[in-house]
Amino acid sequence: QVQLQESGPGLVKPSETLSLTCTVSGGSVTINGYSWSWIRQPPGKGLEWIAHMYYGGNANYNPSLRSRVSILVDASKNQVSLNLSSVTAADTAVYYCARDKRFGGLDYWGQGTPVTVSS
Amino acid sequence: DIQLTQSPSSLSASLGDRVTVTCRASQSVTTYLNWYQQKPGKAPQLLISVASTLQSGVPSRFSGSGSGTDFTLTISGLQPEDIATYYCQQSYSTPRTFGPGTKVEIK
Repeated sequence: QVQLQESGPGLVKPSETLSLTCTVSGGSVTINGYSWSWIRQPPGKGLEWIAHMYYGGNANYNPSLRSRVSILVDASKNQVSLNLSSVTAADTAVYYCARDKRFGGLDYWGQGTPVTVSS
Repeated sequence: DIQLTQSPSSLSASLGDRVTVTCRASQSVTTYLNWYQQKPGKAPQLLISVASTLQSGVPSRFSGSGSGTDFTLTISGLQPEDIATYYCQQSYSTPRTFGPGTKVEIK
């Protein structure tokens, strides 16, 4: 059974860089046909797709965040990471990582990690 | 980017009712449309992929249909555990996009 576990700082100051890690267990991040995604959900709001990446492939980003975000799939650690720079209060959200079956939806999710941007 | 709209934004129904949620895409996504259920404080769960494929373990009262730009999620016989927000999402192109959600409550 694939399991995903996000980890992060919880609290980040405005203008700093947010770094999140998703540790995958019960499966490999190198699996063919699947990419690894980050999604976020501001308090009381809907889901926003941030980025995804296939192992060894190119990353795709939400155009609204492209200038500030980067995603990396690390096979040596079986992890997926996300960096978001120059954060503001608008980046306060629960951040989820998920596995994306090509054309087939996000089939496994982590439990989410809450991030608050505040001084 | 492909925009998704959902209707209604919320609904209230009685136990045992048939509930229908619709999702409309701004351009064709063929059948690459997925449905998720999210309960408060929990991560979303994939219910239906590729418009109509029920995921393993999901009750058969859930079903999906549609193609192109118009899709439907149906709950045939609403149960107390179905109280949640439902999201559609397209996996036809990047950026992946979600609909705004439909909140289902018990009347």
